[in-house]
Amino acid sequence: EIVLTQSPDFQSVTPKEKVTITCRASQSIGSSLHWYQQKPGQSPKLLIKYASQSFSGVPSRFSGSGSGTDFTLTIDSLEAEDAATYYCHQSSSLPRTFGQGTKVEIK
Amino acid sequence: EVQLVESGGGLVQPGGSLRLSCAASGFTVSSNYMGWVRQAPGKGLEWVSVIYSGGSTYYADSVKGRFTISRDSSKNTVYLQMNSLRAEDTAVYYCARHPSSGWPFDYWGQGTLVTVSS
Repeated sequence: EIVLTQSPDFQSVTPKEKVTITCRASQSIGSSLHWYQQKPGQSPKLLIKYASQSFSGVPSRFSGSGSGTDFTLTIDSLEAEDAATYYCHQSSSLPRTFGQGTKVEIK
Repeated sequence: EVQLVESGGGLVQPGGSLRLSCAASGFTVSSNYMGWVRQAPGKGLEWVSVIYSGGSTYYADSVKGRFTISRDSSKNTVYLQMNSLRAEDTAVYYCARHPSSGWPFDYWGQGTLVTVSS
């Protein structure tokens, strides 16, 4: 099973600040890494697919990078509505796995 | 518009059974890969099961032998039959689609809560 480890677990950020979340895979997964945003009481929403491709309708302030074992989600100029938990997810092999999540709080 | 609507959750005693349904609209279930992902209260996401467009099914080790995923093409619906339920199965269960093998889950349902408790 591929283990995904996110850092940090929690981040408190002021609006307009830049946010960086990393995800490390226990073995190489190429670019089969995706990012989701989940707000309280809601289902996860796909933000970035295949490490760096924005999903339809996602604001341009969200971007992703990386390949192999190390990946990054960046939120440029954080907005209040971005308060949420962010998860990385690999589709390279079964069982599919998720990172433990990074909670982003607005100061 | 793609929509996924889960139903069938509720309170069940340990050892009991429950069947979850996921009704899809805006696309054809049998032409896609359909999965179930769960989230225990206050916890992260856990992949549970998938049914491929060709009919193959796969399960997480934690539910193998107890859960069964299936679909009804005439109803455009996916099911998760859950038997021998345990307290640790308590979670919100989400139905989600991924168009092919390596794709991410691009659309999710709103989830249905399963509580296993005496």
